[in-house]
Amino acid sequence: KAGVTQTPRYLIKTRGQQVTLSCSPISGHRSVSWYQQTPGQGLQFLFEYFSETQRNKGNFPGRFSGRQFSNSRSEMNVSTLELGDSALYLCASTSGPEYNEQFFGPGTRLTVL
Amino acid sequence: QKEVEQNSGPLSVPEGAIASLNCTYSDRVSQSFFWYRQYSGKSPELIMSIYSNGDKEDGRFTAQLNKASQYVSLLIRDSQPSDSATYLCAVNRGGSYIPTFGRGTSLIVHP
Repeated sequence: KAGVTQTPRYLIKTRGQQVTLSCSPISGHRSVSWYQQTPGQGLQFLFEYFSETQRNKGNFPGRFSGRQFSNSRSEMNVSTLELGDSALYLCASTSGPEYNEQFFGPGTRLTVL
Repeated sequence: QKEVEQNSGPLSVPEGAIASLNCTYSDRVSQSFFWYRQYSGKSPELIMSIYSNGDKEDGRFTAQLNKASQYVSLLIRDSQPSDSATYLCAVNRGGSYIPTFGRGTSLIVHP
């Protein structure tokens, strides 16, 4: 089984721009979660999508948004980028409610200049 | 507030020794427990899942769960320099897709 894939792997943007990140979960996984990881804050939960619906949301401003498509692929968007948005953005897909193992993609390293 | 606590370390052990990583959690209804390994600059990799009290062994790794005391630990036997990484503990309620992660423990295995 292929793992979680994320594109692009690296991005450099400037303040005020917007960015879209993409994630394809493991085949058969319907839940996709997004996290932001920075050295100072650790892993912070952004949101989770299941069957094209946002089910859970973390404590991030509205500049952070996402969506999920019918094939379970997900995108997240960050508008009006700030320097503090520089981070590793991780996507994870979850195996299901019984064992709920979460598997991470390689991440997208976003640098905001 | 659900919390997962880990000692940030670094935990330094010599090659060949047993590394012991600990994690405590506050949510008594937690049912799923995970250990992730994260190398610097890389994404977390799931290395162990445990769901019932006791020990679970996988190769050089043993996860130990004690729900009454609300802790979970990871033992790494015959530690190798390649085990040097940050280890994240994650805890989840039954039926939930969103685990709560600890901040991680940095492990350094020196030759």
